[in-house]
Parts: sequence; structure tokens; C-alpha cells
Amino acid sequence: DTAVSQTPKYLVTQMGNDKSIKCEQNLGHDTMYWYKQDSKKFLKIMFSYNNKELIINETVPNRFSPKSPDKAHLNLHINSLELGDSAVYFCASSPTGGDDYGYTFGSGTRLTVV
Amino acid sequence: AQTVTQSQPEMSVQEAETVTLSCTYDTSENNYYLFWYKQPPSRQMILVIRQEAYKQQNATENRFSVNFQKAAKSFSLKISDSQLGDTAMYFCAFMTSWMDSSYKLIFGSGTRLLVRP
Repeated sequence: DTAVSQTPKYLVTQMGNDKSIKCEQNLGHDTMYWYKQDSKKFLKIMFSYNNKELIINETVPNRFSPKSPDKAHLNLHINSLELGDSAVYFCASSPTGGDDYGYTFGSGTRLTVV
Repeated sequence: AQTVTQSQPEMSVQEAETVTLSCTYDTSENNYYLFWYKQPPSRQMILVIRQEAYKQQNATENRFSVNFQKAAKSFSLKISDSQLGDTAMYFCAFMTSWMDSSYKLIFGSGTRLLVRP
């Protein structure tokens, strides 16, 4: 069983299109995240949701809209895609406290905008 | 603001040898957690080892161990008996205490490790 699963794994699309990336976790974690890894491998947080509530929004353009229908899902919708949006997007989850701390990451979605 | 610095963009080690990856961080927090993640070419982020700031004892996971120097804000990773499968990007990361609902994981820029046969 995959703990944090993202779909699709690869996404190639044209500038101006709208696309979504889905994320689901079966770990029972309360908090989910989206991270962006750029071409230089730098990882930076975009959003954090705790029990469907937005906690962190790191000055991400409003073309990016996360949606959390329940605490096991956090989807990322991107409008009007730009070349600079090309990156690997990671979904992750973490528990709320306890001994099991730290993130569990999905396998990433490589987005290529052409 | 918290920052994490990895000053070694690339490192190379002979198989079976030992290598140490450096990491320093800056924070005014007293309770936090530190991590090393491995990212092989498959791009999966794999947790290697973690350390609670309140614990003085250095964490160890098989061939992986850390040297945690809280006063110096240093958190280095030592890989013993390096194996070809250790070839990957290694990221040092900092996280504020889990009592805060915004559990932001802040990453360093990574060190690319190549294990030579």
C-alpha cells in the first residue's frame, strides 16, 4: 500500500492550460503539504493544510489553488500555466504530534510546461 | 527566519569508505527537529535519519549517524561503509516543534553524493 500517492507522475502541457495534480494519503495524518522542487533541486513549501484548513500559504501566485475535500486528500490546481511552473511537485503528510514526527513524501509529479 | 545551509554542492567517496556531509542551520527556537533526506535518481524523498533538538545523544540508523552540535547549530551526516546505492542527493532539513500546527520543513540546497566503485 502506497502511503502518499500522487497522480499523475508526469505531466506535459502547453502554456496557458489548466491542470490538476491529485494527492492522497492513507496514513491517517492530519496535515498535508505541497512542495515545489525547482530545476536546481531546491525544495520549498507552497501550502500546508491541517484537517482541511489552510495553515501555510507561502506567497504562491494565486494561479495555484489547493483543495482539500477531506484530511486524506490535498489536490493542487494550476491555472494559466507558465514556463516557470515547470518543476517537480511533491505532496507530503505528517501526523499531529506524537513520537512519529516528520514528513512522508509522495513520489513527486514532474510538470513540464512547453 | 530559519535557514539551512549545506556548503558542499557535490561530494565523492570510494565504495566502503566513510563520508561526512555538512549542514548548519539558523534558528532562535529551542525545540525543533532535524532531518536528513535522500533523493536518489528515482526522485523519491527518503527519510535517512532524524534528531530531536532536546536529545543530546546523536541519532544512529545502521550505517548512518549524525553529529549534532546544538550550540554550534551544526548537524552533519556520516555515512560509513559507503555503498553504490548511497549515490543520491542528500538534503538536510529543519522543522519546528510539532506542537505548532504549521510544521514547516525547511530544506538546505542539497549535496550530491557520488559513490565510486
